[in-house]
Amino acid sequence: KNQVEQSPQSLIILEGKNCTLQCNYTVSPFSNLRWYKQDTGRGPVSLTIMTFSENTKSNGRYTATLDADTKQSSLHITASQLSDSASYICVVTANTDKLIFGTGTRLQVFP
Amino acid sequence: DAGITQSPRHKVTETGTPVTLRCHQTENHRYMYWYRQDPGHGLRLIHYSYGVKDTDKGEVSDGYSVSRSKTEDFLLTLESATSSQTSVYFCAISEGRPFSYEQYFGPGTRLTVT
Repeated sequence: KNQVEQSPQSLIILEGKNCTLQCNYTVSPFSNLRWYKQDTGRGPVSLTIMTFSENTKSNGRYTATLDADTKQSSLHITASQLSDSASYICVVTANTDKLIFGTGTRLQVFP
Repeated sequence: DAGITQSPRHKVTETGTPVTLRCHQTENHRYMYWYRQDPGHGLRLIHYSYGVKDTDKGEVSDGYSVSRSKTEDFLLTLESATSSQTSVYFCAISEGRPFSYEQYFGPGTRLTVT
């Protein structure tokens, strides 16, 4: 069964600190992996998309890694800001055009 | 929100009434999607369209129908709303097939069925 699991479910950090969110997946055949940021009351917005051959991809203070052998990805946020408070969703795309969404990690950044 | 609007943004309706949600895009993208988002679940695909009058079912299509008569508009209809359809509904668009192209999401519609 195709699944995407994210951890932790929620996370609280202080402004300025770093954090790492995890995504494990069992999706086959794999096409790509995406990280989205969803602010409260808004639609998801794409942060990164990585294909099988990409190990790391950055978007400003966000850096995503992918290990296709172990089927794991992580999203690292550097020097967190209050505006980073949001849900972060991992999405794995199969070659069949099917997108499998994780349930997200809710991040809260406090001053 | 990438030139995507959804209407209404909020709606409260009674069980058994029909409801239509509208998604409008100004990007001229070929693909359009309807998802629902519920606590404890990832976004789940209801229906999608790959062109005018071309639609297909997603994983949770029961109780929903869609129509696309113009490139820019994609309508989601609940023929007879039930409490289990209380959810936040998101429209998304992409230029091409989902596994190759970015998906852009609208702002969402919060639907409550009482």
